[in-house]
Amino acid sequence: AQSVTQLGSHVSVSEGALVLLRCNYSSSVPPYLFWYVQYPNQGLQLLLKYTTGATLVKGINGFEAEFKKSETSFHLTKPSAHMSDAAEYFCAVGRNAGKSTFGDGTTLTVKP
Amino acid sequence: DAGVTQSPTHLIKTRGQHVTLRCSPISGHKSVSWYQQVLGQGPQFIFQYYEKEERGRGNFPDRFSARQFPNYSSELNVNALLLGDSALYLCASSLLQGLNTEAFFGQGTRLTVV
Repeated sequence: AQSVTQLGSHVSVSEGALVLLRCNYSSSVPPYLFWYVQYPNQGLQLLLKYTTGATLVKGINGFEAEFKKSETSFHLTKPSAHMSDAAEYFCAVGRNAGKSTFGDGTTLTVKP
Repeated sequence: DAGVTQSPTHLIKTRGQHVTLRCSPISGHKSVSWYQQVLGQGPQFIFQYYEKEERGRGNFPDRFSARQFPNYSSELNVNALLLGDSALYLCASSLLQGLNTEAFFGQGTRLTVV
């Protein structure tokens, strides 16, 4: 069984500020972890993924995430927010990317 | 290359009716998955098909069914529609079915049941 908890359904930051979106997971097997972004009326776009190996994963658009097994966490960060980062972000867990368990999402608002 | 394409993009149905949603995967992808995304929630897994066989099913009633065709396209069927079936239905395609690290999502079909 696996599950994902995203802490904070809404996060608001100022342009240029640090973005931190939190994700905790539960998995009975070594997890594959994913972050997706969804813009209004669109599908999901993969930002980054962790499978094995290096625990700090870099993705597109300047995002990165760190897998911390001891904390069962996979938080998403970006050093400096841009207005175009405003969207909904989903964390997901699953050994099969086509059969993943998603969190309920975090809406990121970026203030000018 | 074309991405995952879904049709229609929007539709409105009446309670009790039947609906068919369609998905064309990325060329060369043999696995198709369906997800339901209710407003304000994350996507929930409905089905996965690989090589035309069902390889996984989420916690959805038997009113939901799907199939995959020889060209790897897929249909999702929902019978006896309920108001609660209103959602964005997402299709995702991937190369493999097992230990699989990348799925590509379509833009979804927005279903409204009235």
